Amino acid sequence: AQSVTQPDIHITVSEGASLELRCNYSYGATPYLFWYVQSPGQGLQLLLKYFSGDTLVQGIKGFEAEFKRSQSSFNLRKPSVHWSDAAEYFCAVGADSGNTGKLIFGQGTTLQVKP
Amino acid sequence: EAGVAQSPRYKIIEKRQSVAFWCNPISGHATLYWYQQILGQGPKLLIQFQNNGVVDDSQLPKDRFSAERLKGVDSTLKIQPAKLEDSAVYLCASSSPGGRSEQYFGPGTRLTVT
Repeated sequence: AQSVTQPDIHITVSEGASLELRCNYSYGATPYLFWYVQSPGQGLQLLLKYFSGDTLVQGIKGFEAEFKRSQSSFNLRKPSVHWSDAAEYFCAVGADSGNTGKLIFGQGTTLQVKP
Repeated sequence: EAGVAQSPRYKIIEKRQSVAFWCNPISGHATLYWYQQILGQGPKLLIQFQNNGVVDDSQLPKDRFSAERLKGVDSTLKIQPAKLEDSAVYLCASSSPGGRSEQYFGPGTRLTVT
């Protein structure tokens, strides 16, 4: 069955430090992968997506993610975290080979930023 | 461009009562999704519409949940009767047709069942 695992429920980093959020997926075919961010009281916003091609994907707000097929991973990175990055981050895989748009989400990682 | 609108933003009801949520998608978006997000979990798809037809409702508890999208625009999601475990945030999203289209999410409705 298709699934997404985010091993870290909660991460705390200092402002200006680098960030890596982990995501592992289970999917038989080539996955369509996404990272979303959710600020308190708001809906989800798409940070970046991977469908094919270059395995290093650039997104909004200075985020990037790297698809590693051998490790079934799609980790999110940012070189320097800002206080405004504090939020919940969700990794998702497109089910049905992306035909329908159905997404399967991980449980999320809460990011706290220390001043 | 206006985003996805949802109402109400918050709702508190007692178990066995009924409740309805409303969603207005982005203009022109043919695909509409309802997700349930339980505290501490990622969103789970309940139902997906393409225009006014259902594409996927495999995870919708049909004995108590119902949804419709008359005229292929606005949508309502209803729970009757509600259970304690229905306490969650209900998110509506919309997109252009096709699996690669970005889904745009509304702010959600936070439901508390007491």
